[in-house]
Amino acid sequence: DAGITQSPRHKVTETGTPVTLRCHQTENHRYMYWYRQDPGHGLRLIHYSYGVKDTDKGEVSDGYSVSRSKTEDFLLTLESATSSQTSVYFCAISEPTLSSEQYFGPGTRLTVT
Amino acid sequence: RKEVEQDPGPFNVPEGATVAFNCTYSNSASQSFFWYRQDCRKEPKLLMSVYSSGNEDGRFTAQLNRASQYISLLIRDSKLSDSATYLCAVAYNYQLIWGAGTKLIIKP
Repeated sequence: DAGITQSPRHKVTETGTPVTLRCHQTENHRYMYWYRQDPGHGLRLIHYSYGVKDTDKGEVSDGYSVSRSKTEDFLLTLESATSSQTSVYFCAISEPTLSSEQYFGPGTRLTVT
Repeated sequence: RKEVEQDPGPFNVPEGATVAFNCTYSNSASQSFFWYRQDCRKEPKLLMSVYSSGNEDGRFTAQLNRASQYISLLIRDSKLSDSATYLCAVAYNYQLIWGAGTKLIIKP
């Protein structure tokens, strides 16, 4: 299994509070991604990074920000959590090869009350 | 129309049977194709890449039809442990576009 960890694994927070999720990899892969997964929607890309300090938006980026100060760490921040951000969040990594397969962390289950 | 579409199922299949799923995609410039398996409350795991010539890994066979823009996954001699959700993913510019998954339930 790829060396990807996510923290925390579970979190319950209140509406309006800031939340930061962490993804850590030991594979030295250049690309890192944050997805959310909700029933009926599959995996939706929030933000991704193609190198240290290089990030870009995905299809559902509103309300989220990211930072990548080191190759191994990719942080996802919910500036002011809302109930619609209750979801399971997955981090993934890949190398910029033609095949582009991604490998996933174990996920963070976030509940916003 | 979604970029990548899958029948959500569930497919209820007896143990030992053969089952097939399809996944259609809309972007003809898509570069790579994958099948992932996701168990309940777990992360997706790469099952197999899908090559133009088709490929086989044990009981699993994946095929690509670029003309009709779909990929398929065939599972032969299904096992109870094959019960999971199967996600297809289509790559374009180092990003993957995901189907919502097909749920497979293998019954004894």
